[in-house]
Amino acid sequence: AQTVTQSQPEMSVQEAETVTLSCTYDTSESDYYLFWYKQPPSRQMILVIRQEAYKQQNATENRFSVNFQKAAKSFSLKISDSQLGDAAMYFCAYRTRRLNNNDMRFGAGTRLTVKP
Amino acid sequence: NAGVTQTPKFQVLKTGQSMTLQCAQDMNHEYMSWYRQDPGMGLRLIHYSVGAGITDQGEVPNGYNVSRSTTEDFPLRLLSAAPSQTSVYFCASSNGENRPSTDTQYFGPGTRLTVL
Repeated sequence: AQTVTQSQPEMSVQEAETVTLSCTYDTSESDYYLFWYKQPPSRQMILVIRQEAYKQQNATENRFSVNFQKAAKSFSLKISDSQLGDAAMYFCAYRTRRLNNNDMRFGAGTRLTVKP
Repeated sequence: NAGVTQTPKFQVLKTGQSMTLQCAQDMNHEYMSWYRQDPGMGLRLIHYSVGAGITDQGEVPNGYNVSRSTTEDFPLRLLSAAPSQTSVYFCASSNGENRPSTDTQYFGPGTRLTVL
């Protein structure tokens, strides 16, 4: 079974600085999706960024970018120019691309604090 | 569009009671899933469905039943509640087309369940 590991339970960053959140995963599949979700205190799960495993180019979304290392099974999230609104729990997730299968696995999360 | 809706938002049960958590989506999504979120453990998949009449087990299915009689609804039933089922429950849906540009999972707001 696929597993996702986030080794940093908590991280903090100064406002306007850059922070990187780590994620590793284990799978025997070659085709899959990887995600970063943000969960603020409201509990709502918000998609931050997505990466398709067959794409070598790292995904970017405004201030958010990933470093996807397929061979190392590593998928880190970089947040540039951190803002107070970025404070939240961040979850890394893996999802198979097998047809008729919606199996999605999450890491335990990293709590990000942004200091003014 | 209301997106993914869940009812109730909060629920307290006594051990041994049964109840159904409701989930509905109005996006005509084929795929729907139920997750539970416990402190320090991220989200874990309970059951999922890839279409009306089709369901499958996820990572932690024991103690829960599901059925999918319509595309819109995917209720989660607790047959005999136990304190170990105290958690926050999230429902999610996606179009299941397996196309990266559109296959995004949308989450409901969650149901906080306490079993005494």
